[in-house]
Amino acid sequence: DTEVTQTPKHLVMGMTNKKSLKCEQHMGHRAMYWYKQKAKKPPELMFVYSYEKLSINESVPSRFSPECPNSSLLNLHLHALQPEDSALYLCASSQDFVELAFAYEQYFGPGTRLTVT
Amino acid sequence: QKEVEQNSGPLSVPEGAIASLNCTYSDRGSQSFFWYRQYSGKSPELIMSIYSNGDKEDGRFTAQLNKASQYVSLLIRDSQPSDSATYLCAVMGGGATNKLIFGTGTLLAVQP
Repeated sequence: DTEVTQTPKHLVMGMTNKKSLKCEQHMGHRAMYWYKQKAKKPPELMFVYSYEKLSINESVPSRFSPECPNSSLLNLHLHALQPEDSALYLCASSQDFVELAFAYEQYFGPGTRLTVT
Repeated sequence: QKEVEQNSGPLSVPEGAIASLNCTYSDRGSQSFFWYRQYSGKSPELIMSIYSNGDKEDGRFTAQLNKASQYVSLLIRDSQPSDSATYLCAVMGGGATNKLIFGTGTLLAVQP
């Protein structure tokens, strides 16, 4: 079962709000990812967790704060966002991130459509 | 700067024809190659992965890899209107980063 779930499906928040996006997978994957996708653009990597440790932060502004409570869960905490942060936020997971010879397939969740007003 | 390039399209093919989607990449150390399908307003769905030179077939889909030419392609046989979507080529290189680099995607339109 290659399923990654994300909640909520849609989120509208004001610039002073604090909200969180949630992601869950039960495939035993040890790497989890947050991507941001704007319309007609490819997904843009934000963060990578490998074995519950943050391994990549793609110079994301601090108003985005990731958290990995355990190997199945990934959160993205949002605070003081700007209207330009409105986008589709995608979570993905893969078996193992640290393999050098062969990368593992990434499976995406359905995404959270975020609108910042 | 590691790059993955795709023709943005739209690529228009009649129903039942073969759709050919192409992708080139700049990092010679790349080891893993993926094709994702993304319907409008939905998330990317992995449809093919390929790691060694040659062809890999899965149903109506065939992925082709030529590392010497730094070229990967996706063929869709017997194209259906339901295949109309954006197809994203993604490449994972060697080295410590192991990040997926996405192309900008090719929009495929299958005409009934």
